Amino acid sequence: SQQGEEDPQALSIQEGENATMNCSYKTSINNLQWYRQNSGRGLVHLILIRSNEREKHSGRLRVTLDTSKKSSSLLITASRAADTASYFCATGRPGAGSYQLTFGKGTKLSVIP
Amino acid sequence: DVKVTQSSRYLVKRTGEKVFLECVQDMDHENMFWYRQDPGLGLRLIYFSYDVKMKEKGDIPEGYSVSREKKERFSLILESASTNQTSMYLCASSVGQTSYNEQFFGPGTRLTVL
Repeated sequence: SQQGEEDPQALSIQEGENATMNCSYKTSINNLQWYRQNSGRGLVHLILIRSNEREKHSGRLRVTLDTSKKSSSLLITASRAADTASYFCATGRPGAGSYQLTFGKGTKLSVIP
Repeated sequence: DVKVTQSSRYLVKRTGEKVFLECVQDMDHENMFWYRQDPGLGLRLIYFSYDVKMKEKGDIPEGYSVSREKKERFSLILESASTNQTSMYLCASSVGQTSYNEQFFGPGTRLTVL
């Protein structure tokens, strides 16, 4: 069953602006990950945040996690045309034998040069 | 670099045919996954495997089976393809008995069933 739900479904911004995408989930998690997918290709891992972390940075990416609200956000600063892609959140559940991630439906980001 | 390869980028099959999708990873990962991706539905897990000859059903296993005879190779089988199995199929792998580790994805196979 789908766990993460990204919001908005689509986002269009000008190059140089910041892009913010949100993810909500329903059950307990031990980590949340963000992935990027360029058109028609496989997904690429961007960043992982553990359930006991509140914020994490990687280059132009900033991820926040609020476990009380069961939500996360991904901020891309100073966007570039090359950031045009779909972005997915994925959640991992606690418990033995939980190897899999549950992916959301994605946010399609268009960065206009 | 981890590399996950899939046997075909595009595949066209006819209804009722048996279809094999192959996935190979070169980093000795324990876990391998098969997803399908459809517009508006995101990625849905079909099957995964955490060891050779071991398999677990995902969220949508109906109409599919899998085989993992060697650690590096994970095959998805459509016993009798149907038009509603037209989709993008993505294979992924990860290391360790945990969901903490990132998954590495192949480029995908776009399957059309006529």
